[in-house]
Amino acid sequence: AQSVAQPEDQVNVAEGNPLTVKCTYSVSGNPYLFWYVQYPNRGLQFLLKYITGDNLVKGSYGFEAEFNKSQTSFHLKKPSALVSDSALYFCAVREEIFNTGKLIFGQGTTLQVKP
Amino acid sequence: KAGVTQTPRYLIKTRGQQVTLSCSPISGHRSVSWYQQTPGQGLQFLFEYFSETQRNKGNFPGRFSGRQFSNSRSEMNVSTLELGDSALYLCASSFPRAAAGTGGSGANVLTFGAGSRLTVL
Repeated sequence: AQSVAQPEDQVNVAEGNPLTVKCTYSVSGNPYLFWYVQYPNRGLQFLLKYITGDNLVKGSYGFEAEFNKSQTSFHLKKPSALVSDSALYFCAVREEIFNTGKLIFGQGTTLQVKP
Repeated sequence: KAGVTQTPRYLIKTRGQQVTLSCSPISGHRSVSWYQQTPGQGLQFLFEYFSETQRNKGNFPGRFSGRQFSNSRSEMNVSTLELGDSALYLCASSFPRAAAGTGGSGANVLTFGAGSRLTVL
């Protein structure tokens, strides 16, 4: 069965400091991995995805994520956090073989960036 | 181009009533998926429609149903509402055929609407 874990309910970071939001996954085959962000009373916005190839994926708004197959992790990173990055972040996985609209989401991590 | 449009954005119902939510996908997208988001359970997959056929279903009771029309617009219906059905219902669309070099259809990105927030009293 597919699953995703985001071990931290909340991450606090000062503006200008680097941030990391953690995600680990479990799938039987090759994973496709995604990060989405949700602002209050809004839907989910796509940030980036890992399909195959380079382990460091660059996405929107200066975010990047590092895929680590041995640790089954896909942590979201940003070198310098902004107050406007404060939001709810979701990691999601889909197995490569499944051609469907079904994603398995983690529970979400609230990122709080303080001035 | 226009994004995924969900209506209504907010609605209040009482227990036992039924509700219908609507989703208009991005033009050209043929797959529509529905998700339920609650503080306790997080984001859970309800079902997916492609070419007017349900091709995947999550673990929800039969009170939750949906359909897709020939123009790819989709509706979901919840009958005999319960307090626990209070949630944000999100619709997402995608174009299932992958462009060359994207790694296959499984890499397709879901584009989400703003959601319909249902409150059951």
